[in-house]
Amino acid sequence: GAVVSQHPSRVICKSGTSVKIECRSLDFQATTMFWYRQFPKQSLMLMATSNEGSKATYEQGVEKDKFLINHASLTLSTLTVTSAHPEDSSFYICSATRAGNSYEQYFGPGTRLTVT
Amino acid sequence: GDSVTQMEGPVTLSEEAFLTINCTYTATGYPSLFWYVQYPGEGLQLLLKATKADDKGSNKGFEATYRKETTSFHLEKGSVQVSDSAVYFCARLGSFNFGNEKLTFGTGTRLTIIP
Repeated sequence: GAVVSQHPSRVICKSGTSVKIECRSLDFQATTMFWYRQFPKQSLMLMATSNEGSKATYEQGVEKDKFLINHASLTLSTLTVTSAHPEDSSFYICSATRAGNSYEQYFGPGTRLTVT
Repeated sequence: GDSVTQMEGPVTLSEEAFLTINCTYTATGYPSLFWYVQYPGEGLQLLLKATKADDKGSNKGFEATYRKETTSFHLEKGSVQVSDSAVYFCARLGSFNFGNEKLTFGTGTRLTIIP
C-alpha cells in the first residue's frame, strides 16, 4: 500500500509555455502533499506543502505565481509551472502523507521537466 | 533551524565490502530519522527509519541506530552488492507546518559498488 504516482514521468516543453504535473495517491487518501525540486546531483528542496482544499504554503524563495499548486481532492495534487524557462528544467518529486500518520511521506517516482 | 549533515560522496566500494555512510542531525527535540534511497531516474524510496533514541532501523541488510548522545544516524551494511549502487539520503522530521512535519534532507551520498 501507500503508492504515489506522478504523470508525466518526462516532459519537454518550449520556453514560455506552461506545463502541469500530476501527483496521485493510488491507494490511500493523502491529507498532505509536498512538492520537491531536485537539481542534478543535489538534494531535494521543498517547494511547497499543500492540504486538500487549502492554499499551498510555499517555502521561502519559491514563486507562488510561477509554481501553481492545486490540491483539489484527497488523492490528487497538481503542480503547474507557468511561463516555463530553461532554468526551470529540473526533476520534480511529490510526496504524500496519510491521515493519522503525518510523519511518514510516500514519494512519487518524479517528473523530469526539460524546457527548451 | 533543522539540519542534517551527511557524509559527502561519491563513495566507491568493491562488492562485499563494509559500508558506512555518516549522518548527524541538529538536536532540536526528538525527531524521527530516515534513510531514503534513490535509484537512477527514480523517486525516493524509504529504506529504514527510527522514531526514538536507541531505535535501530533495518531493511535489506542495511541498519542505522538512532544515537541521541551523538545526534547521529549512521547507515551501515556488512556486505554491499552491485545492486546497492544508488544515492542515499539521510533525513529528519521537524518544523511543523500545517500540523504536518517537514522533512529536512542531507545532501545525499552517491554510492557505486564495483564487481
